[in-house]
Amino acid sequence: EVRLLESGGGLVQPGGSLRLSCAASGFTFSSYDMSWVRLAPGKGLEWVSIIGSSGSITYYADSVKGRFTISRDISKNTVFLQMNSLRAEDTAAYYCARGSLSGWYSLDKWGQGTLVTVSS
Amino acid sequence: IQLTQSPSSLSTSVGDRVTITCRASQGISSYLAWYQQKPGKAPKLLIYAASTLQSGVPSRFSGSGSGTDFTLTISSLQPEDFATYYCQQLSAYPYTFGQGTKLEIK
Repeated sequence: EVRLLESGGGLVQPGGSLRLSCAASGFTFSSYDMSWVRLAPGKGLEWVSIIGSSGSITYYADSVKGRFTISRDISKNTVFLQMNSLRAEDTAAYYCARGSLSGWYSLDKWGQGTLVTVSS
Repeated sequence: IQLTQSPSSLSTSVGDRVTITCRASQGISSYLAWYQQKPGKAPKLLIYAASTLQSGVPSRFSGSGSGTDFTLTISSLQPEDFATYYCQQLSAYPYTFGQGTKLEIK
């Protein structure tokens, strides 16, 4: 069974940092792209970042570019999201999601999310 | 690429046929997916490649369209279908979502 388990969320002050983790199991982690998606209170889903299967390719939403860094540790089947210079508008539930292997790409498996609150 | 979903909310009843539209600001071929999200839960993939039903998703869900105009149809709404639905384009980075359509019980 595919499982994605996020952790690392919490309360942080504006300007602070946080590192989210997503532990994967039940599939060959090294073969899949992985994304982070967030849902802010009262808002819709926002795609945040993606990392390629080998870790050599990364992309970011403009709203987080230069502040967030995605990475992965294939030996630990884990993807990370390092979040720096956090702002109130980064408050959200953060989900990791697996990219499909289909030629027609989609996010086919999702974790349950971890909550990040940026507030003083 | 901007995605515009309509309506943003819909008051509906069990058994109704529901159609949600998603319009892309430029052509995306069939690189469009639909997701369902319930409060406090993870999003769930319903449809990919604009019209391909994800394994395990009931056949009352269907998708159509290509290029810039897409639809998600629920043929006969069931109680468990009251949720928020999002389209997402996966043609070009950033992989944007529509703003969502919330289905509410009438």
